[in-house]
Amino acid sequence: AQTVTQSQPEMSVQEAETVTLSCTYDTSESDYYLFWYKQPPSRQMILVIRQEAYKQQNATENRFSVNFQKAAKSFSLKISDSQLGDAAMYFCAFFYGGSQGNLIFGKGTKLSVKP
Amino acid sequence: ETGVTQTPRHLVMGMTNKKSLKCEQHLGHNAMYWYKQSAKKPLELMFVYSLEERVENNSVPSRFSPECPNSSHLFLHLHTLQPEDSALYLCASSRGGLAGDTQYFGPGTRLTVL
Repeated sequence: AQTVTQSQPEMSVQEAETVTLSCTYDTSESDYYLFWYKQPPSRQMILVIRQEAYKQQNATENRFSVNFQKAAKSFSLKISDSQLGDAAMYFCAFFYGGSQGNLIFGKGTKLSVKP
Repeated sequence: ETGVTQTPRHLVMGMTNKKSLKCEQHLGHNAMYWYKQSAKKPLELMFVYSLEERVENNSVPSRFSPECPNSSHLFLHLHTLQPEDSALYLCASSRGGLAGDTQYFGPGTRLTVL
C-alpha cells in the first residue's frame, strides 16, 4: 500500500527565515508524482509545487523548492524568506496509477509564521 | 478562488435529514473528485468521476450518493448520516486523461451532523 508520512504535526518559523517541511512516502511504483498543497485557515487548498518522479531536477516555484530524494523516498519542502501569508496547513501528496490513479495525502504540517 | 466553487459553505443537519452538496468547476476539466477531510486524519478520497462516469468508489457508505450530470457539476447527496460524518467535504477537479494532473480544490463544505 502507498503511504505518505509527514512527521512534523506543527512547525514554526520567524518571518524572513527559511523552514523545511519533511515528507516521506512508501511505494513500489517507479513512475509517480509528488505534490505539496497549502491550505490556509478557512481558505481552499492550493497547489504549491509538483514533482515528477522521473525528473532528477528538483522543482522550484519562487520561494518554494523541494529536495526530492527518490532512493530515500523523501520529498521535503523548503520555504525561503518566509512571509506571514505562508502560515497554513501543508499537505504532501503522492499520485500513482496512471490517468485514473489516486492521490494519497499525508496528515499535514501546520506552519506558523512569527512576525 | 473562482475555479472550483462549492455550496453551501456550511451545513448543519440532523441524522434523518436529506441534503445535497454541490460543486461546480469553471476550468474546463474532465475529472471531478469528492474528498472527506476530518481532523487529525489525511484527506480521504471518496469518489472520482471522469467524463461523467464514476471510476472510483473508495468503499464509501451508501448514505453518501454522488451524481455527476455533466463534466462541470458534481453533487453529493446525503441521507441518514451519522455524527461521525461531520467533516469538511472537498470537491476537486483536474484535466483528466493524464497521469499526475494537478487537482484544483474548492473551498469545501463544513458539514455538522447532529
